[in-house]
Amino acid sequence: QVQLVESGGGVVQPGRSLRLSCAASGFTFNRYGMHWVRQAPGKGLEWVAVISNDGTKKDYADSVKGRFTISRDNAKNSLFLQMNSLRVEDTAVYYCARDLTANGYMDVWGKGTTVTVSS
Amino acid sequence: DIQMTQSPSSLSASVGDRVTISCRASHGIGNNLAWYQQKPGKVPDLLIYGASTLLSGVPSRFSGGGSGTDFTLTIDNLQPEDIATYFCQKYNSVPFTFGPGTKVGIK
Repeated sequence: QVQLVESGGGVVQPGRSLRLSCAASGFTFNRYGMHWVRQAPGKGLEWVAVISNDGTKKDYADSVKGRFTISRDNAKNSLFLQMNSLRVEDTAVYYCARDLTANGYMDVWGKGTTVTVSS
Repeated sequence: DIQMTQSPSSLSASVGDRVTISCRASHGIGNNLAWYQQKPGKVPDLLIYGASTLLSGVPSRFSGGGSGTDFTLTIDNLQPEDIATYFCQKYNSVPFTFGPGTKVGIK
């Protein structure tokens, strides 16, 4: 079945880096744009980044621009989020999500991986 | 950037009631709006895209409407399994901003 599984979360000090991964299965990965969306504890959803199906187009939320980098490896059906210069306010559950029609809305979500930034 | 607001922030209704949630964009977004349902402790589920197109498999008691800046999500005949927080999301252009959410409970 269609599935997204995130990994790579953990506890990290402010200013440090972390790399999240998302393994896709059950669908033709290279046909879909992919997003990262995060949710701080007890808060709403915040869109983080998007990458086109072929990896050539990327966009970011202002809150992470210049610090986070989204990438993908279509040969390995994998999505990544490199997070540098982490801040306390980056603490959240990070979800990867499939873009249904390359328009910007998301029809399949992973269960998320938790990132805690704390000294 | 376009800001998204939702009202109310929370509501309680009885089983069988009709519930309407509003979502407003600070500038026009055409019909580029999606609705998601997030049940407690679960991941979000896409319900509606294109402001009014129901994703396959979503119960027909859910419906969406509106265009431009004002949108609605309506739940007819509210069911206990509809307890969730509902988020709107604009996708006309980046950033793909979500609304703050509306928490729906049962009286």
